[in-house]
Amino acid sequence: GEDVEQSLFLSVREGDSSVINCTYTDSSSTYLYWYKQEPGAGLQLLTYIFSNMDMKQDQRLTVLLNKKDKHLSLRIADTQTGDSAIYFCAESIGTGGYNKLIFGAGTRLAVHP
Amino acid sequence: DGGITQSPKYLFRKEGQNVTLSCEQNLNHDAMYWYRQDPGQGLRLIYYSQIVNDFQKGDIAEGYSVSREKKESFPLTVTSAQKNPTAFYLCASSIMGTRDHEKLFFGSGTQLSVL
Repeated sequence: GEDVEQSLFLSVREGDSSVINCTYTDSSSTYLYWYKQEPGAGLQLLTYIFSNMDMKQDQRLTVLLNKKDKHLSLRIADTQTGDSAIYFCAESIGTGGYNKLIFGAGTRLAVHP
Repeated sequence: DGGITQSPKYLFRKEGQNVTLSCEQNLNHDAMYWYRQDPGQGLRLIYYSQIVNDFQKGDIAEGYSVSREKKESFPLTVTSAQKNPTAFYLCASSIMGTRDHEKLFFGSGTQLSVL
């Protein structure tokens, strides 16, 4: 079935790296996404990775994809208090003409001094 | 500035009452979506529309209705048939094209609570 799983909470010290993990189930997913949600706001697309890649780097963000294990991770280097938010992993599921996104429950990242 | 505007930010529903959540976008996007967010759960798709005057049910459409009379607007009505309406509702839009409809732009959400 369709399922995306994430741990619910992560706490890190300011300046350290954060690693948020995600597992997904559909091996045919061709794109995987990371969205960020700040308190009381909508989701904002952070980054995405195509399934033929195993890594993508964008400034402080590094996405790693292990397609064999269906495992996706988001690493945030030099984590700042402004990075405190909920991070959602999403996989794309083909439904015969329309690709819909399946979201995980989100990982709440808390950054403390 | 282009974006998606949801209103109101907070909404309260009485028993047996229908309520309508507004979503307007000026991004010139063809596709619009409604998601429901519950604590500790992922976003679940209620309805989506890829073109004016057409919309499709998502995974949890029961108790909800939508209309798409204008490209810019996609209101969601939570009917009295929805027995557990308390949730955070998110509207999103996207352009249509190869994979581009997966890059969603979200509004800031409406928190609906039952009195």
